Amino acid sequence: AQSVAQPEDQVNVAEGNPLTVKCTYSVSGNPYLFWYVQYPNRGLQFLLKYITGDNLVKGSYGFEAEFNKSQTSFHLKKPSALVSDSALYFCAVRPLNRDDKIIFGKGTRLHILP
Amino acid sequence: GAVVSQHPSRVICKSGTSVKIECRSLDFQATTMFWYRQFPKQSLMLMATSNEGSKATYEQGVEKDKFLINHASLTLSTLTVTSAHPEDSSFYICSARDLTRETHIQYFGAGTRLSVL
Repeated sequence: AQSVAQPEDQVNVAEGNPLTVKCTYSVSGNPYLFWYVQYPNRGLQFLLKYITGDNLVKGSYGFEAEFNKSQTSFHLKKPSALVSDSALYFCAVRPLNRDDKIIFGKGTRLHILP
Repeated sequence: GAVVSQHPSRVICKSGTSVKIECRSLDFQATTMFWYRQFPKQSLMLMATSNEGSKATYEQGVEKDKFLINHASLTLSTLTVTSAHPEDSSFYICSARDLTRETHIQYFGAGTRLSVL
């Protein structure tokens, strides 16, 4: 079955430190990959995507993600965390044979400690 | 990015009543919208794909008579939870794609928190 795994329920990082939120996927072919962020009682906001090309993609708010085909991973990163980055982060995959449907990971709650 | 408006943001209703949730694309036309359900501390579960001018496509296990979807125009899709019961309490989120811009990105509404007493 096709799936997206976010192995960490929660990640705690001190403000100013680099952060990584992990994501791996199990999907056949070369899927499209996304990261979304959700603030309390809000919908999801698009952060960045990987379709093709350079494995390192840059997105909103200073976030970036690295696509690793051999490890089927798409980890989200930021060089220096801000308290305002505290939120729920979802990794998502769009398999190419599933029309528009997107498979979401279960989410990782990021806490940036002041 | 494209803006998707969802209304209401929060609704509390009695068991047995029906609740309608609206999802509007404000600055683009959306031939396809999606409805998700999110349980506490869990991921989004796709309920159905709403297609303008045709019937919605429901995911396996989602009751189409329970969750009525209407996509009457290119900017509006509605989800009606019929005869709501406490187990229907959840956070419902819609999304849409703007085919004139970035076709791979889904833009999400702010969600509707439904509480059934």
